[in-house]
Amino acid sequence: EAGVVQSPRYKIIEKKQPVAFWCNPISGHNTLYWYLQNLGQGPELLIRYENEEAVDDSQLPKDRFSAERLKGVDSTLKIQPAELGDSAVYLCASSPRSGRVYNEQFFGPGTRLTVL
Amino acid sequence: AQSVSQHNHHVILSEAASLELGCNYSYGGTVNLFWYVQYPGQHLQLLLKYFSGDPLVKGIKGFEAEFIKSKFSFNLRKPSVQWSDTAEYFCAVVGVTSGNTGKLIFGQGTTLQVKP
Repeated sequence: EAGVVQSPRYKIIEKKQPVAFWCNPISGHNTLYWYLQNLGQGPELLIRYENEEAVDDSQLPKDRFSAERLKGVDSTLKIQPAELGDSAVYLCASSPRSGRVYNEQFFGPGTRLTVL
Repeated sequence: AQSVSQHNHHVILSEAASLELGCNYSYGGTVNLFWYVQYPGQHLQLLLKYFSGDPLVKGIKGFEAEFIKSKFSFNLRKPSVQWSDTAEYFCAVVGVTSGNTGKLIFGQGTTLQVKP
């Protein structure tokens, strides 16, 4: 079974530039998550999708961050414009189903963003 | 608000030593608990999980964890570590009571270094 795929793995940009990250979840997983992981910290949820619907985006800085999950499969996370403080690892994860019984999340390798 | 605290940021052990990593959480209701591991250069993967039942759960690679509800703790243990256990370990919690959004909260992580 293929895992969660993310691209690019690394991205270096200058501040104020836009950047986008792509995630392909495990086939059949209808729940998709984007996390931010700062150095020396655990992942923090940015947004959670159930199929196409963003059901929890309370931690997403909406002035500069946006996300979409067209057709309930792949997802894109965008930052525009990027700031120095956005340098971090952006993780995508997926899980088989939603509901009160919480399922294991499967993580991708992440995209390491460096903003200069 | 939910939070997770991992007691040690950095642990150094010699091979064959016993390991215990502390994890405490704050949440008043029913929880599901996880330990994730991130080996160098690899993505986060599940080590073990607790949903209900026997509070002593066994995971992969000889790891186990004990849920002590009265202490809000879920400590990770291994009787004899190996050099290959060198990794970063994350404790994570999600509240599963009615109305909870199912948001997974991670601790800040513990870096384990095992000396050969």
